[in-house]
Amino acid sequence: SQKIEQNSEALNIQEGKTATLTCNYTNYSPAYLQWYRQDPGRGPVFLLLIRENEKEKRKERLKVTFDTTLKQSLFHITASQPADSATYLCALNQGGKLIFGQGTELSVKP
Amino acid sequence: EAGVAQSPRYKIIEKRQSVAFWCNPISGHATLYWYQQILGQGPKLLIQFQNNGVVDDSQLPKDRFSAERLKGVDSTLKIQPAKLEDSAVYLCASSFLDPGQGTEAFFGQGTRLTVV
Repeated sequence: SQKIEQNSEALNIQEGKTATLTCNYTNYSPAYLQWYRQDPGRGPVFLLLIRENEKEKRKERLKVTFDTTLKQSLFHITASQPADSATYLCALNQGGKLIFGQGTELSVKP
Repeated sequence: EAGVAQSPRYKIIEKRQSVAFWCNPISGHATLYWYQQILGQGPKLLIQFQNNGVVDDSQLPKDRFSAERLKGVDSTLKIQPAKLEDSAVYLCASSFLDPGQGTEAFFGQGTRLTVV
């Protein structure tokens, strides 16, 4: 069956450290993968998109990698801040649809 | 640029009642999505429109849920009759292009539905 799996456990890290979130997928062949941030009581907000022919994408303190052989994307936040605390969702396109993973909750402690 | 507008923000109904949600996407966005998000889970796609045509509604419980997109702009999602398990946040999103072309989706704040 088709699955998108993100770290099921919440991630707790210390301010200033690098947070790394994982997105694994099974039985999909996405042309690209997206990452979104969701704060409590709000809709998801787009962060980054990486295409299948790109290995890495950066935006300020954010970095995304995409390995189509491993069927995995990694999302890194460097020099993390308490304001980065939120749930992070990965999403991929398949058959013209945008499908989301279950999200990983990140908590950055001062 | 105005974002995706949804109403109402909150709704409490009794089981077996009906409810409707409204969404106004960003102007010019051809693709409109309705997602259901149960607490602690990721958004689950219910229905996706391209202009006023349905692209996918494979996960829409059609015996109780219905959706339409009027003139390829606004959309309504209806539940009739509601069940307890329908308690969730209903998110509307829109994008300029269809997902196959690598376009980001813009989300509204959602409607939190509680069925008691």
